Amino acid sequence: AQKITQTQPGMFVQEKEAVTLDCTYDTSDQSYGLFWYKQPSSGEMIFLIYQGSYDEQNATEGRYSLNFQKARKSANLVISASQLGDSAMYFCAMIYYFGNEKLTFGTGTRLTIIP
Amino acid sequence: NAGVTQTPKFQVLKTGQSMTLQCAQDMNHEYMSWYRQDPGMGLRLIHYSVGAGITDQGEVPNGYNVSRSTTEDFPLRLLSAAPSQTSVYFCASTPTSGSYNEQFFGPGTRLTVL
Repeated sequence: AQKITQTQPGMFVQEKEAVTLDCTYDTSDQSYGLFWYKQPSSGEMIFLIYQGSYDEQNATEGRYSLNFQKARKSANLVISASQLGDSAMYFCAMIYYFGNEKLTFGTGTRLTIIP
Repeated sequence: NAGVTQTPKFQVLKTGQSMTLQCAQDMNHEYMSWYRQDPGMGLRLIHYSVGAGITDQGEVPNGYNVSRSTTEDFPLRLLSAAPSQTSVYFCASTPTSGSYNEQFFGPGTRLTVL
C-alpha cells in the first residue's frame, strides 16, 4: 500500500526566505507520480507541481521546485523567495499509474509566512 | 470551460437524511473521483470511476453510493447521513490513466450532519 508522510504539521517562515516542505513516501511500485497541492484558506485545491518516478530532472514551476530523491523516497517542495500569499496548507500526494489513478494524500503542512 | 463544478457549496443535514452531492465536468475526462477531507487527515478517496458505467470503491466507501451514467456527471449519494460524515467533499477529474495528468479539483462541498 502507498503511504505519504508529511512530518511538519506547521511552519513559520519569514517573508522572502526560501522554505522546504518535507514529504516522504512508501511504495513498492516503479511507476508513480508525486504531486504538491496548495490549499488556501478559501478551500480550493491548487495544483503546484508534479514529478514522475522516471523523470531524471527535478521538476520546477516558477518559484516552486521539487527536490526528488528517489533512493530516499523523498519529494520535498521548495518555495523560493516566499510571499505572504504562500500562507496555506500544502499537501503532498502520490499516484500509482496503471492502478486506476488513485491519489494518496499526506496529512499536510500549514505554512505561515511572517511579514 | 467551467472545469469541475460541485453543488451545493454548503449543506446541513440531520442524522438519517439522505442527499446527493453533484459533480460535473465539461472537459470530457474519463476518470472522476470523490474525496473527503477531515481535519488532520488529508484527503481520502471515497469512490472513483474510470469511465461511464464503471465505478469502484476507494479507501472510505461505507455510507456512500456513486453512479456514472454519463462522462460528465459523477454524483455522490449519502444514504443515511451520520455525524461522522461531516466533512468537506471534493470531486476531481483527470483525462486518462497511465501517464501524467493533473487532477482537476472542484471547489468542494462543506457538509455538516447534526
